[in-house]
Amino acid sequence: EAGVTQFPSHSVIEKGQTVTLRCDPISGHDNLYWYRRVMGKEIKFLLHFVKESKQDESGMPNNRFLAERTGGTYSTLKVQPAELEDSGVYFCASSQDPTSGGFTDTQYFGPGTRLTVL
Amino acid sequence: QKEVEQDPGPLSVPEGAIVSLNCTYSNSAFQYFMWYRQYSRKGPELLMYTYSSGNKEDGRFTAQVDKSSKYISLFIRDSQPSDSATYLCAMSGGTSYGKLTFGQGTILTVHP
Repeated sequence: EAGVTQFPSHSVIEKGQTVTLRCDPISGHDNLYWYRRVMGKEIKFLLHFVKESKQDESGMPNNRFLAERTGGTYSTLKVQPAELEDSGVYFCASSQDPTSGGFTDTQYFGPGTRLTVL
Repeated sequence: QKEVEQDPGPLSVPEGAIVSLNCTYSNSAFQYFMWYRQYSRKGPELLMYTYSSGNKEDGRFTAQVDKSSKYISLFIRDSQPSDSATYLCAMSGGTSYGKLTFGQGTILTVHP
């Protein structure tokens, strides 16, 4: 079974440019999460999709970030325009089917996209 | 103040040593406590999880949770060079059950 895949693995862009990150979750996983790790800091939650709906987007830093999950399959995270502080590693994770109010199934993480904004 | 505090290390031990990794937290709503392992250039991989207080053992790994002290630990017995990785504690609970809150991670090196 294929794991969570992310593309690209590394992106280097200049300040003010746009970048789109893609995540393909494990097939059949309804839940998809985005996290980010800025250098020297902890991994931080960005948002959570259940199928195509945003369940929780409390971690999105500002309106320069736009996440979509059309059709409830893969997801994209667009940063427009990119700023220097957006540099970091963006992780995507997926899990199968949480029961309401209970512990989620294991979140399986992708290898991350390393974003460098110059 | 961070919700989860974890000493980033680095921690270097000889093969065969017992390793103790710890996190403290401030949010009383956390009910689920996890340890992830992350190898270089890879994503975090779930190692163990515990619900509420108590101990859980899996092979050479033991996870402990003390909710009264808001303190969790991971013990690795008979450590191996293949255990060299970054260990991340993570927690969830309350209304945002899907959201994981991570510690900074502890870099562990086990040398032969």
